[in-house]
Amino acid sequence: EVQLVESGGGLVQPGGSLKLSCAASGFTFSVSAMHWVRQASGKGLEWVGRIRSKANSYATAYAASVKGRFTISRDDSKNTAYLQMNSLKTEDTAVYYCTRLPRDYTYGMDVWGQGTTVTVSS
Amino acid sequence: QSALTQPASVSGSPGQSITISCTGTSSDVGVYNYVSWYQQHPGKAPKLMIYDVSNRPSGVSNRFSGSKSGNTASLTISGLQAEDEADYYCSSYTSSSTVVFGGGTKLTVL
Repeated sequence: EVQLVESGGGLVQPGGSLKLSCAASGFTFSVSAMHWVRQASGKGLEWVGRIRSKANSYATAYAASVKGRFTISRDDSKNTAYLQMNSLKTEDTAVYYCTRLPRDYTYGMDVWGQGTTVTVSS
Repeated sequence: QSALTQPASVSGSPGQSITISCTGTSSDVGVYNYVSWYQQHPGKAPKLMIYDVSNRPSGVSNRFSGSKSGNTASLTISGLQAEDEADYYCSSYTSSSTVVFGGGTKLTVL
């Protein structure tokens, strides 16, 4: 079964850090670009960032709202993507989803995790 | 990068057709054929309904179709069913190699 499972969410104080993980199974993780998308309660989807495959030099890109604070990485040997979140703000409170683009030259995120909740509050 | 513009809500009766628009710019929707649509039921993860403007993933009903003209993409749902009631989001790849989502449209089946 093709699956993504996020973990690592929780409660953190403003200015703190948190690292989310996204474990993949059932597909060839190493060729997929991995994206992170978040959704604040009652709000719409917001793209956070992505990391491409080794063939694309593990290139990363980020939304302006998180650039310089968040870092996406991956470990293809563990079939896992990560989202390191630093200098967290209350507005980063959201459900964080990881998702994939299955291959190059196509755009449709076809597999999504169940999401992990991050709450930034004092 | 500003969010793509979608109507906040649309509605239709069972059996009818509805269309949700998604307006961007020449730097996102208009630049590539890289537009996708997602369905999200309350408390659930999004589900891919259309990719690359007009392609349906395996398992998605052929009642769902997508198109694009200039900087505006559209999702059409024909033969509305109660289970189609959900939030719908468009998304586009951009010329800056980033991604942008629309604000979402709540579909109500009357």
